[in-house]
Amino acid sequence: DAKTTQPNSMESNEEEPVHLPCNHSTISGTDYIHWYRQLPSQGPEYVIHGLTSNVNNRMASLAIAEDRKSSTLILHRATLRDAAVYYCIPNSGNTGKLIFGQGTTLQVKP
Amino acid sequence: DAGVIQSPRHEVTEMGQEVTLRCKPISGHNSLFWYRQTMMRGLELLIYFNNNVPIDDSGMPEDRFSAKMPNASFSTLKIQPSEPRDSAVYFCASSYTAGKLFFGSGTQLSVL
Repeated sequence: DAKTTQPNSMESNEEEPVHLPCNHSTISGTDYIHWYRQLPSQGPEYVIHGLTSNVNNRMASLAIAEDRKSSTLILHRATLRDAAVYYCIPNSGNTGKLIFGQGTTLQVKP
Repeated sequence: DAGVIQSPRHEVTEMGQEVTLRCKPISGHNSLFWYRQTMMRGLELLIYFNNNVPIDDSGMPEDRFSAKMPNASFSTLKIQPSEPRDSAVYFCASSYTAGKLFFGSGTQLSVL
C-alpha cells in the first residue's frame, strides 16, 4: 500500500474554500485516490475518488497532480458541518479494502 | 436503505468476559470489513470478507479475536476473553465489488 503524508491539522473560516493536501509519492499506476472523512462520533464516509483526471461531485472536488504523486481535496465553501478528519487513501481497487492513515483534522471557525 | 447496522452501540464488560459485536451490511453488498479505532492506533482493518468468505485476517490482533459471516446479511466479531486493551470503537463497513465503503455507526467497547 502506498504511503501517504497529510498535515495533522488545518483551520478554515466558514464560507471560505479549503484545500486539503495529500502526498502519495509511492502510488502505483493503478491505484485510485480515495478521500473519506469522519465526523465526530461517526463512522467514516466516502467523499470522492479519482485516478488521473480531476473529479467533482456535490461534496467536493479532487485535483490530482499530473505525476499523481499528490492530490488536493477542495471544499469550495466550508461549513461548520465540514469539521472532520479527512483521510486520503491510495487503493488499487481490486479488493476494496482501505488502509487509513492518520488523516487531517479540519477545524472550521464561524 | 437503513445503511450498515451495528449492535450494540455501547458495550461495557469486565475483563475475561466474552464479547460479541454484530453487523448487518447493506443489502446487495458482497464485501464486509471490520475496523477498530483507538486514539493511539487510529483506524485499523481487522478482517474483511468477500461473498461471505474471509479473504484477509492479517489485521486480527490475536487468537482471542474471531469473525464469522454465516450469510450475506450478518457478521459477528467475537473477543474471548476480553482484555482492557481491547477497548475501542469497532466499525463494520460494507461495499459492492470494491466500490466505496459504507460504514456503520460503530460499537463503543469498554473492557474494565
